[in-house]
Amino acid sequence: NAGVMQNPRHLVRRRGQEARLRCSPMKGHSHVYWYRQLPEEGLKFMVYLQKENIIDESGMPKERFSAEFPKEGPSILRIQQVVRGDSAAYFCASSPLPGTDFYNEQFFGPGTRLTVL
Amino acid sequence: RKEVEQDPGPFNVPEGATVAFNCTYSNSASQSFFWYRQDCRKEPKLLMSVYSSGNEDGRFTAQLNRASQYISLLIRDSKLSDSATYLCVAPRSGGYNKLIFGAGTRLAVHP
Repeated sequence: NAGVMQNPRHLVRRRGQEARLRCSPMKGHSHVYWYRQLPEEGLKFMVYLQKENIIDESGMPKERFSAEFPKEGPSILRIQQVVRGDSAAYFCASSPLPGTDFYNEQFFGPGTRLTVL
Repeated sequence: RKEVEQDPGPFNVPEGATVAFNCTYSNSASQSFFWYRQDCRKEPKLLMSVYSSGNEDGRFTAQLNRASQYISLLIRDSKLSDSATYLCVAPRSGGYNKLIFGAGTRLAVHP
């Protein structure tokens, strides 16, 4: 059973370009979470999605960032017009059920390390 | 005050030592907490969940003190392989979909 997959593992972009990060959840998981980790800092929640729905995007910057989880295919985190401050590790996690009333373990992917030159 | 706060360390300990980390949280309504382990440049992995006063799993013991709003992680008989960053995690109020991660405590176990 493959774990959470993310690609690319490393992404280099110049300022002003677009970055697309992909996440394929574990088989049978329909809940996806995106986190950002800056150097020497903890992970920061960005967005929670279910298939075709954004459930909570309270942690995502309102400008330049968007996320989707289509019916078919991986979840995509898109960053438009990247700036140096976007350089970070972006982790995706998935769970089989929503963590509404109790915790469903979130399994993390290996992350995408974005470097903006 | 940060929602979840940890001593960044590093804690440098010899093999076989006992080491403890503390983590404080600000949301008194939080019911459950978690310790994740993150190896250098790798993804976090769940180490332990803490649902009541405490939880023990082999060499690892996690304790929760609601009155003082802190969680601790105790590692006995440290191994070289325990070297990692330990992340204290709390759910934001309203459910477990949003996890709040502390910045982590680094542990280095040396021979």
